[in-house]
Amino acid sequence: DTAVSQTPKYLVTQMGNDKSIKCEQNLGHDTMYWYKQDSKKFLKIMFSYNNKELIINETVPNRFSPKSPDKAHLNLHINSLELGDSAVYFCASSRRIGLAGEGGELFFGEGSRLTVL
Amino acid sequence: KQEVTQIPAALSVPEGENLVLNCSFTDSAIYNLQWFRQDPGKGLTSLLLIQSSQREQTSGRLNASLDKSSGRSTLYIAASQPGDSATYLCGTNAGKSTFGDGTTLTVKP
Repeated sequence: DTAVSQTPKYLVTQMGNDKSIKCEQNLGHDTMYWYKQDSKKFLKIMFSYNNKELIINETVPNRFSPKSPDKAHLNLHINSLELGDSAVYFCASSRRIGLAGEGGELFFGEGSRLTVL
Repeated sequence: KQEVTQIPAALSVPEGENLVLNCSFTDSAIYNLQWFRQDPGKGLTSLLLIQSSQREQTSGRLNASLDKSSGRSTLYIAASQPGDSATYLCGTNAGKSTFGDGTTLTVKP
């Protein structure tokens, strides 16, 4: 059983389209994340949800909208896709982030490679 | 703002060598530091997690150390094998995770 699973694994689309990536974890974690890894392999956090509540929202264009229907799922919807959105998007999860921000071990999905033409 | 640097960016060694990968960070107020392995086209696989109160962690041929006061962590790989070839990333957690750019390791048979 895959601990953190993302779909789709590959996504090729035209500029201006809207697309979604789904993520599910079966680890019983309370906290889930979206990361973006660009062509230079730099990995940067985008969003973090703790038990369905948004707790980290980095400087991400509002074309990106995460949604957490329950604590085991975190989806990412992207509107009006641009060339610069091409990247690999990783979902991750960890045990609950405490009041002081401490968190447990991060577990990553396999990534969703988005190519915008 | 936390900045994480990994040196070297790339490393090539013959099989059997022991090696050290370095990770430095600017904000020592971290809760933990995690080392990952990333194979081409794949996700990140967790190797070792060191909590802020710990000095080191070991798993098999891997040993990671943490010195918060100097803002440094090292990942020691003993008796390297071709299967160890991958990109190794370190990530610090200080409320949110910040990652280095990684060290790409090639172990030649």
